[in-house]
Amino acid sequence: GESVGLHLPTLSVQEGDNSIINCAYSNSASDYFIWYKQESGKGPQFIIDIRSNMDKRQGQRVTVLLNKTVKHLSLQIAATQPGDSAVYFCAVLGGYNKLIFGAGTRLAVHP
Amino acid sequence: DAGITQSPRYKITETGRQVTLMCHQTWSHSYMFWYRQDLGHGLRLIYYSAAADITDKGEVPDGYVVSRSKTENFPLTLESATRSQTSVYFCASRGLSGELFFGEGSRLTVL
Repeated sequence: GESVGLHLPTLSVQEGDNSIINCAYSNSASDYFIWYKQESGKGPQFIIDIRSNMDKRQGQRVTVLLNKTVKHLSLQIAATQPGDSAVYFCAVLGGYNKLIFGAGTRLAVHP
Repeated sequence: DAGITQSPRYKITETGRQVTLMCHQTWSHSYMFWYRQDLGHGLRLIYYSAAADITDKGEVPDGYVVSRSKTENFPLTLESATRSQTSVYFCASRGLSGELFFGEGSRLTVL
């Protein structure tokens, strides 16, 4: 079946550094990818998305990179702040228009 | 206020009892979803609905029942709660681009 995996369960960074969170997916036919942020006690919150006809998309302090050749997705957060501390999920649109979520990476930002 | 709301936010029940978690969205989105979130499993799809009166099973549907008599409501019922159904439940609706918007979650404890 289709799967979505994350390379690291926890990522620790210093405040002000750039963060990179990685994600791998299995279905080469996937054409829509989303990154979510989940803070403690809250629901996942949409951060940024990208379609397969693009390899890079930028938002405010965030960039998503898509490498379809190796089926890899990454989220880059510039100048990481304490408020960025959360669990980050990648999600891939799978069969029957259902989103398949990765297990999540916990980002810890240290002062 | 516009958005997606879940109730109750917290519920403690006993094994064998029936529990219904409510979900209401104000966007008139066609697709709605129920996920459960457990440590080590990430977000797993329980049921989803493409429109009123159309529902289908997700990855982990056993022990759950859903209905969708109105577009804006998508209740999830545990007909006879078990301890393994202790979890955080998230309802979501799908926007026009395919992204999901999540509620704040319902934390259910089955004793």
